[in-house]
Amino acid sequence: AQRVTQPEKLLSVFKGAPVELKCNYSYSGSPELFWYVQYSRQRLQLLLRHISRESIKGFTADLNKGETSFHLKKPFAQEEDSAMYYCALTPGATNKLIFGTGTLLAVQP
Amino acid sequence: NAGVMQNPRHLVRRRGQEARLRCSPMKGHSHVYWYRQLPEEGLKFMVYLQKENIIDESGMPKERFSAEFPKEGPSILRIQQVVRGDSAAYFCASSPTQNTEAFFGQGTRLTVV
Repeated sequence: AQRVTQPEKLLSVFKGAPVELKCNYSYSGSPELFWYVQYSRQRLQLLLRHISRESIKGFTADLNKGETSFHLKKPFAQEEDSAMYYCALTPGATNKLIFGTGTLLAVQP
Repeated sequence: NAGVMQNPRHLVRRRGQEARLRCSPMKGHSHVYWYRQLPEEGLKFMVYLQKENIIDESGMPKERFSAEFPKEGPSILRIQQVVRGDSAAYFCASSPTQNTEAFFGQGTRLTVV
């Protein structure tokens, strides 16, 4: 079955600390993986996708096919990073996304 | 470009009533996707439409739910005879083609009382 798992509902860190938001997936083929972010009172927006291999707002994510993981990392958290983060996959070149349950990142001053 | 517009933002319906949720895609976008987010869960795909056509409705409940995207006007997600379990946030997203980035609306929060 196709599934995205985000084991942490809440991750609380202090400003300047490293952040790692975990994401594991279950899919038999070669999916595309994404991270979406939803800041307070704003709409869901794409943060990054694995095929572009870019760093956005200091965040990176590497697809590990052996561990079926796509963890989101940032070396030094900022208070403005506080938001809800969703990991998602799509089986192919479509926008039919399968989302995880999300992790709320709270960055304390 | 105002982005994907959903209305209403909040909708309260009594059990048995009908709920109509509207989604106006971004200008130039002909692909629309509806997702539902139940409490404590992630967004779940419901249906994918391209102007006047339903492309994929594999996530739609078999009864009471329907969606359309007419040639003119917004996409409509219609829920007939609502029940308490329909209470959720319903999100719409749009994209210019099927494999380019989809942009999300702010959602409609449906509460069935």
